[in-house]
Amino acid sequence: DAGVIQSPRHEVTEMGQEVTLRCKPISGHDYLFWYRQTMMRGLELLIYFNNNVPIDDSGMPEDRFSAKMPNASFSTLKIQPSEPRDSAVYFCASSRGTGSNEQFFGPGTRLTVL
Amino acid sequence: KNEVEQSPQNLTAQEGEFITINCSYSVGISALHWLQQHPGGGIVSLFMLSSGKKKHGRLIATINIQEKHSSLHITASHPRDSAVYICAVRYPGNQFYFGTGTSLTVIP
Repeated sequence: DAGVIQSPRHEVTEMGQEVTLRCKPISGHDYLFWYRQTMMRGLELLIYFNNNVPIDDSGMPEDRFSAKMPNASFSTLKIQPSEPRDSAVYFCASSRGTGSNEQFFGPGTRLTVL
Repeated sequence: KNEVEQSPQNLTAQEGEFITINCSYSVGISALHWLQQHPGGGIVSLFMLSSGKKKHGRLIATINIQEKHSSLHITASHPRDSAVYICAVRYPGNQFYFGTGTSLTVIP
């Protein structure tokens, strides 16, 4: 099993540019979570999906952030336009069964916005 | 407002010592997770608890629902246990909150 796959692993961009982060969950997992981790705020849940449907996006910081899950094997997190305060590590995780079950995390994408 | 409190923030132990990390939360929860984040940044889920106690190797996690408190214990600690340990709770209504983490260093 390849685990949760995220790409890119590192992204450096300039303020104002669009950034797209990608995630492939573990096959058979029906929950997908997007998290952000910063030194100041620690880990935060941004949004999660169940069976490709967004269930709770209350953690999405503002309208510049959007997430989609067009099918069971792919999700994107987009930031447009990006700002320096968006610099963080973005993790994707997936789980099976219920939202409270063990989650398997991807390696993360380290985003730096200059 | 941080809904989850962890203690201690930092912990240094000698190899072989018994280690306890604590997590407290404010209201009834659906589930509590203990996560381990390695120095390289990767996150691994150690336990998911809704009641009682779970054990995996040298790791033991307990939860007291009435006291709204969970502990993570490491027996016979080893330098490879050095990591940040994060408590996460899921409240009814699907909100997740994370503790700020406990940074553990085990010295040989």
